[in-house]
Amino acid sequence: SYELTQPPSVSVSPGQTARITCSGDALPKKYAYWYQQKSGQAPVLVIYEDGERPSGIPERFSGSKSGTMATLTISGAQVEDEADYYCYSTDNSGNHWVFGGGTELTVL
Amino acid sequence: EVNLVESGGGLVQPGGSLRLSCATSGFTFSRYEMHWVRQVPGKGLEWVSYITVGGRTAYYADSVRGRFTISRDSAKNSLYLEMNSLRVEDTAIYYCVRSVDYWGQGALVTVSS
Repeated sequence: SYELTQPPSVSVSPGQTARITCSGDALPKKYAYWYQQKSGQAPVLVIYEDGERPSGIPERFSGSKSGTMATLTISGAQVEDEADYYCYSTDNSGNHWVFGGGTELTVL
Repeated sequence: EVNLVESGGGLVQPGGSLRLSCATSGFTFSRYEMHWVRQVPGKGLEWVSYITVGGRTAYYADSVRGRFTISRDSAKNSLYLEMNSLRVEDTAIYYCVRSVDYWGQGALVTVSS
């Protein structure tokens, strides 16, 4: 079955740039989506269609994709950005969706 | 304001059945594909199923195919997940999701004897 691979954890100091990667064989042809999930809360969409930002999401969140790797970038990470981040996409059929394993972002 | 509210969670024995509902408001339900996603507390997210706009086609994760059935009722603006032959490993918070953007707060399903 299809898999998306993320690093388990990323750590940065406040104000630094955090980059979280997601690799998958179908990503060259399928969009990547990114969610932020804080403890005890439902996930929140922070990036859709590779690099689009929903309204209300701070500009420091951006997304990009190159080949089989998508990247979520948080420029000038804040303490409040500490959370788990998940990438999300489909397999080549477009009918089966998959989450990456999640990346725990620490900002301290 | 878009709103999704899951209900129907609870404690069930292995082999039992449960039906989750998701009541939606604040958008035109019939125009969106809908998904169910689950999460074992403390673990990662797992896509479970999705149903197309018209409700005629549904897709399932391998882990639930043949046991779970997704459906929708546009007259009631509601999404459902019928879960049969439940296993201990189905214990999770189940989220209703509009396409890829809006999520409900989740319903806890516990499968235990």
